[in-house]
Amino acid sequence: GAGVSQSPSNKVTEKGKDVELRCDPISGHTALYWYRQRLGQGLEFLIYFQGNSAPDKSGLPSDRFSAERTGESVSTLTIQRTQQEDSAVYLCASSLALWNTGELFFGEGSRLTVL
Amino acid sequence: KQEVTQIPAALSVPEGENLVLNCSFTDSAIYNLQWFRQDPGKGLTSLLLIQSSQREQTSGRLNASLDKSSGRSTLYIAASQPGDSATYLCAVREAGGTSYGKLTFGQGTILTVHP
Repeated sequence: GAGVSQSPSNKVTEKGKDVELRCDPISGHTALYWYRQRLGQGLEFLIYFQGNSAPDKSGLPSDRFSAERTGESVSTLTIQRTQQEDSAVYLCASSLALWNTGELFFGEGSRLTVL
Repeated sequence: KQEVTQIPAALSVPEGENLVLNCSFTDSAIYNLQWFRQDPGKGLTSLLLIQSSQREQTSGRLNASLDKSSGRSTLYIAASQPGDSATYLCAVREAGGTSYGKLTFGQGTILTVHP
């Protein structure tokens, strides 16, 4: 596609339920990032995929959070047993390999509200 | 651990003024630095990307400079317009060690340009 696509754009769920957020990166982009942005806050790094290398999971806040990526394509961020503090906008970004330009492009985000 | 700081946190100016936004980072081992714009409720839009070997980049009324050795970047906006009102974020892409490729963001500068 022309840009990074995220779905759903909005998700309201009840505390304790599991949610899946999807990210379709720009075609050919080998790097993919997930960030979280709470209301009025900055961007918080969650996880980074680069090609076939092991992902950098150092930003995942707890074991309720996990992410997968199929090759150099779609990524899914899963939050299990959601809590109210998980409410945030989850942003996905992709880029070409760093030895190319490395310019990062963001999707519009998935807004998660946990009641 | 890389830390990125943006000053000022907020800025309000009349239309037509030239202005400077500042970004500083603690670890000079960076691959590149990118400036973004974020409008309320939206994702991030890339404005300028400066590779570590470059000193500056220009796009229209925007000019970004990079002094890697001192850990500083500035974003200069000429002849500001009300449409420039947004949050401006800088982010550095780390070049070394286990954080290779990781992008660290500043907290942003909220810019308001009033007519």
